[in-house]
Amino acid sequence: DTGVSQDPRHKITKRGQNVTFRCDPISEHNRLYWYRQTLGQGPEFLTYFQNEAQLEKSRLLSDRFSAERPKGSFSTLEIQRTEQGDSAMYLCASSLRLAGTDTQYFGPGTRLTVL
Amino acid sequence: DAKTTQPNSMESNEEEPVHLPCNHSTISGTDYIHWYRQLPSQGPEYVIHGLTSNVNNRMASLAIAEDRKSSTLILHRATLRDAAVYYCILSADAGGTSYGKLTFGQGTILTVHP
Repeated sequence: DTGVSQDPRHKITKRGQNVTFRCDPISEHNRLYWYRQTLGQGPEFLTYFQNEAQLEKSRLLSDRFSAERPKGSFSTLEIQRTEQGDSAMYLCASSLRLAGTDTQYFGPGTRLTVL
Repeated sequence: DAKTTQPNSMESNEEEPVHLPCNHSTISGTDYIHWYRQLPSQGPEYVIHGLTSNVNNRMASLAIAEDRKSSTLILHRATLRDAAVYYCILSADAGGTSYGKLTFGQGTILTVHP
């Protein structure tokens, strides 16, 4: 257990429905990342927050995806009008910004299946 | 982002050392070399990172070539719990515009035989 939690762990939904995932990072970590991982591939970066500010979004993140991190604590990732191609593992990671490089701690992920 | 090249898979026997190679010929001066691993059905787990010098921690050692164009992750005594996908990732200084985001490749699937 890294201290990063994600909820739910599994989500099955029908195409066209909206889904929301939650990530609770390690409490003192100011950086939060979302990644997506499909079967047999490495995780792909989606978006990044420093405190409550969303500072970068991948081109992979279509306008159906939105992420928030109110008050710089937990974060939510919402997918609207889900498509079968959204089926993947959604991973959250947090880190503490220090000089040099930082170490990311990943949660267990939320596995999304879109029927 | 600078790219890394790793073998698709490697095998080892339990209690033997494992050397996992990574090539990163386009590494820039500010890129750190990170290794993460991902056990089945889990999120990635940090293993080790370095910039120029070799590094040791309780999990592994990282040997970095003098020209920094390659590195090797060393597991000193493999156990069955080390069976995982190992990712070698270059990440720019966390204060730069990449904000420390990680760009994962395919990684190396390590199989450990009893």
